[in-house]
Amino acid sequence: DGGITQSPKYLFRKEGQNVTLSCEQNLNHDAMYWYRQDPGQGLRLIYYSQIVNDFQKGDIAEGYSVSREKKESFPLTVTSAQKNPTAFYLCASRPGHGKTDTQYFGPGTRLTVL
Amino acid sequence: KNQVEQSPQSLIILEGKNCTLQCNYTVSPFSNLRWYKQDTGRGPVSLTIMTFSENTKSNGRYTATLDADTKQSSLHITASQLSDSASYICVAGISASKIIFGSGTRLSIRP
Repeated sequence: DGGITQSPKYLFRKEGQNVTLSCEQNLNHDAMYWYRQDPGQGLRLIYYSQIVNDFQKGDIAEGYSVSREKKESFPLTVTSAQKNPTAFYLCASRPGHGKTDTQYFGPGTRLTVL
Repeated sequence: KNQVEQSPQSLIILEGKNCTLQCNYTVSPFSNLRWYKQDTGRGPVSLTIMTFSENTKSNGRYTATLDADTKQSSLHITASQLSDSASYICVAGISASKIIFGSGTRLSIRP
């Protein structure tokens, strides 16, 4: 899992509530990413950020929001607008902007909507 | 449509045996091909990465091959160990921020 931490490991949410997932890295990486993983599917990109105070929507950004106020932190908020938020959420970071730079993943947060 | 398909979906082998996992990709433009190992409930860990000019890359008992002409890759695991039980994910890279994930092959090693 490298120097990437995610918290909490498990999160339970009632319908209609917003929740924020934490992602912190001490690798001094420029780029950070949020993915969603559902059973039997590949990881899907929610948001990514290549530099502080800038972020871009991924393939499934609806119902999610992010911020990148510090280089080491990239929190993800799952809003009540996300219709099916139960999933495994993975944060990743990458050192630079090269095409072959490896992404390093955190341990993940499993979100369950009750 | 950019996509990555992996086969088989799941595989069970005995400890000590070899196995090969397959990956077919359709992405454009193609930049690189990666294999990740993901233990249950954990984040993926990179095993290998190959650019279109590389045919093979090894990491211990893991050997990945790439055929850019047929758009196929394989991951060969030699002398499997119980700790190899995991999902193996093939990922095709398009750009620095655009990569396409396969759904993975779930490998179980039996003693």
